[in-house]
Amino acid sequence: GQQVMQIPQYQHVQEGEDFTTYCNSSTTLSNIQWYKQRPGGHPVFLIQLVKSGEVKKQKRLTFQFGEAKKNSSLHITATQTTDVGTYFCAGQTSYDKVIFGPGTSLSVIP
Amino acid sequence: DSGVTQTPKHLITATGQRVTLRCSPRSGDLSVYWYQQSLDQGLQFLIQYYNGEERAKGNILERFSAQQFPDLHSELNLSSLELGDSALYFCASSVVTGFHGYTFGSGTRLTVV
Repeated sequence: GQQVMQIPQYQHVQEGEDFTTYCNSSTTLSNIQWYKQRPGGHPVFLIQLVKSGEVKKQKRLTFQFGEAKKNSSLHITATQTTDVGTYFCAGQTSYDKVIFGPGTSLSVIP
Repeated sequence: DSGVTQTPKHLITATGQRVTLRCSPRSGDLSVYWYQQSLDQGLQFLIQYYNGEERAKGNILERFSAQQFPDLHSELNLSSLELGDSALYFCASSVVTGFHGYTFGSGTRLTVV
């Protein structure tokens, strides 16, 4: 069946290092969204990407949507302790079905 | 405060029991979604309602059911509870059906003992 995968599952970085999580879908997506869930919290919407090859930036966060609209990435430059949490991608297929990836859990060592 | 209200925040119940989780969507949002998140797991889609009608179904067990009322609040009913049903249950809402960003509530943590 249709799947959305994320790698890595866990990432531990030193504060100030960069971090990237990758999201891959088994099918072509209409769009993709990214969410952040802090420990003990709920997912919070970060951004939506719609166009093939789209790149969006939010301060130290850079989001990319692949040309084939089957993969995406989130890159954080110079991580801070406030970046700790689990980052989920969520992809929509053409049938209005949304699938969340399993998430990448980021730990930042001060 | 995200604007999506879930009650109760915590629930402890015994196996075999039935519970009801409640969600009030953000003002103006017509779509409500229910997700289950087990320990260290991702978000499993259960069911979606749009303006009172069931719109999409995910991996929802037959023991689980939901509805959305005319005032747009939604309830998720879990019956014949098993230990494995222990999880965080999130409700999310969005302004229109489709995919324009979900606003999640703070969740209900269900513990089945």
